[in-house]
Amino acid sequence: QKEVEQDPGPLSVPEGAIVSLNCTYSNSAFQYFMWYRQYSRKGPELLMYTYSSGNKEDGRFTAQVDKSSKYISLFIRDSQPSDSATYLCAMSGPDDYKLSFGAGTTVTVRA
Amino acid sequence: DSGVTQTPKHLITATGQRVTLRCSPRSGDLSVYWYQQSLDQGLQFLIQYYNGEERAKGNILERFSAQQFPDLHSELNLSSLELGDSALYFCASSVGVTGTGNEKLFFGSGTQLSVL
Repeated sequence: QKEVEQDPGPLSVPEGAIVSLNCTYSNSAFQYFMWYRQYSRKGPELLMYTYSSGNKEDGRFTAQVDKSSKYISLFIRDSQPSDSATYLCAMSGPDDYKLSFGAGTTVTVRA
Repeated sequence: DSGVTQTPKHLITATGQRVTLRCSPRSGDLSVYWYQQSLDQGLQFLIQYYNGEERAKGNILERFSAQQFPDLHSELNLSSLELGDSALYFCASSVGVTGTGNEKLFFGSGTQLSVL
């Protein structure tokens, strides 16, 4: 079993829809949670960063962390074609030397 | 633009050859990380340097080596290349080290390596 599980999709939604992405993890020590966006053949770009449990909102993006369920989510409201990308979750714990990444979910927003 | 610079953007070489990938971190960042991304393996951590010292190794092959120089730029050396080494290689940087709250990694645009 992988340490971080993420459905690779692909996910296709119409413009304006809410995109819902999620990851589950097995390591209860994880406390730093991130979402990265990666356009085709480009480097991942940090979108959201959350410490421990709770919600964080930034514009059209909302990140949620439920440590009791070992489950994190990313919601994209009013999705735009420019949101079409691969979204990777990443996480780490105290003294971790690396981030553990999910496989990434490919999202297409249709105009 | 993340501020992390990687060169070259593309490399085409033959099996058995050796190549060097270069990375300049963001200004002020002391940590450099190397990741390999392939279609079937996703993002795989290779190695991390902090202020010139190797801090952690991941799934890095013995044929691969890296170093971070006093000016904080880093190089990843890949030798005796095999077809399976074809992948996107990313460098990332951060202010501090992971596991201490400095988890925000900023990635470069990557080097696409094709081994023919």
